Amino acid sequence: EDKVVQSPLSLVVHEGDTVTLNCSYEVTNFRSLLWYKQEKKAPTFLFMLTSSGIEKKSGRLSSILDKKELSSILNITATQTGDSAIYLCAASTGANSKLTFGKGITLSVRP
Amino acid sequence: SAVISQKPSRDICQRGTSLTIQCQVDSQVTMMFWYRQQPGQSLTLIATANQGSEATYESGFVIDKFPISRPNLTFSTLTVSNMSPEDSSIYLCSDRTSGTTDTQYFGPGTRLTVL
Repeated sequence: EDKVVQSPLSLVVHEGDTVTLNCSYEVTNFRSLLWYKQEKKAPTFLFMLTSSGIEKKSGRLSSILDKKELSSILNITATQTGDSAIYLCAASTGANSKLTFGKGITLSVRP
Repeated sequence: SAVISQKPSRDICQRGTSLTIQCQVDSQVTMMFWYRQQPGQSLTLIATANQGSEATYESGFVIDKFPISRPNLTFSTLTVSNMSPEDSSIYLCSDRTSGTTDTQYFGPGTRLTVL
């Protein structure tokens, strides 16, 4: 059975801190690793990673995939209160790119 | 990415009834998916909605409970049948536009409460 595990499950930081969110996966027919941010109902897309060792960046957020270790990290620098959300990672597998999600990491950024 | 809308945004239903959720995409998409997110849990794929044929259901989900239609490349419905309080969840549809990317974009979701 495909499995995605995220850690820590929750995190409380102060504005300006840097955080690292972890994701590991054990799946068959791996295609890519995706990160989403969920604030209310709908997850919003952050990154899709297919190649190992190539960092993707968007503003203060960055992410990298390690296919040897079957893991990925999402870094957020200079955190802001608006970064408070649940961060989900998902492994895409198979011909139909089925997504298997982790339980998510709840990040709270305090002023 | 395509813009996805869902109706209704939320609903409160009585047990034993059924609710149909609509998902509309503003452009033709290759694949549409339906997910469930129970309170405090992550997203679980219910099924892949196939245009012109039966949906492909994941383990633990059956057509009698979650019938799905996809009459064309921009629209799909999910029905939650004979509801019980355990069906209280957020239901989300997503799309994958192209065969060259795995990225799925999500609709705004439907928050269902069953009393």
